[in-house]
Amino acid sequence: DVKVTQSSRYLVKRTGEKVFLECVQDMDHENMFWYRQDPGLGLRLIYFSYDVKMKEKGDIPEGYSVSREKKERFSLILESASTNQTSMYLCASSFLGLEHEQYFGPGTRLTVT
Amino acid sequence: AQKITQTQPGMFVQEKEAVTLDCTYDTSDQSYGLFWYKQPSSGEMIFLIYQGSYDEQNATEGRYSLNFQKARKSANLVISASQLGDSAMYFCAMREGRGAQKLVFGQGTRLTINP
Repeated sequence: DVKVTQSSRYLVKRTGEKVFLECVQDMDHENMFWYRQDPGLGLRLIYFSYDVKMKEKGDIPEGYSVSREKKERFSLILESASTNQTSMYLCASSFLGLEHEQYFGPGTRLTVT
Repeated sequence: AQKITQTQPGMFVQEKEAVTLDCTYDTSDQSYGLFWYKQPSSGEMIFLIYQGSYDEQNATEGRYSLNFQKARKSANLVISASQLGDSAMYFCAMREGRGAQKLVFGQGTRLTINP
């Protein structure tokens, strides 16, 4: 069974704090993704990575950075958290290729106060 | 322009009825893939079904089928004999172009199955 795990289910941080969200997958997938999900907006891609140390911006990268030092691990970093980054964050992974589905982690609900 | 459009924010269906969730897409690529995901209230995203742009047959997976109409650029999800456990958010998504890796998601449809 493919497993994608995220470091926390719930997280509360203060404005201005640096926040790390970690994602680990155990299926040797090349691709890893970070999305945020907000009501009425669906899932929006923040960043993705198709290989170690490689990253590409998604649709809403502002205010975020990522790190992929190992194939199985993809971290999302909020350098200085703001209240408009309160959201559900979903990590996903997949093999390369058009037909491969993405497998999702359980999500992290981040609240920035 | 929206790449993926799901026009039904919410749907209510009686248990055991069939239900169709609409999805239209916009792409100029000849090569693309269409996906449907289910998100129950617990929050996890569950992959349901995939249709490739060159697939001639509509995809089917158990009670799920994808009504793929390429000329109309629609990829509707059909759930036969709905069950209470089908109540969830449903997302349509597209990956376009052979080299592309990312998925673009629609806004979702909230399906409620009534007993």
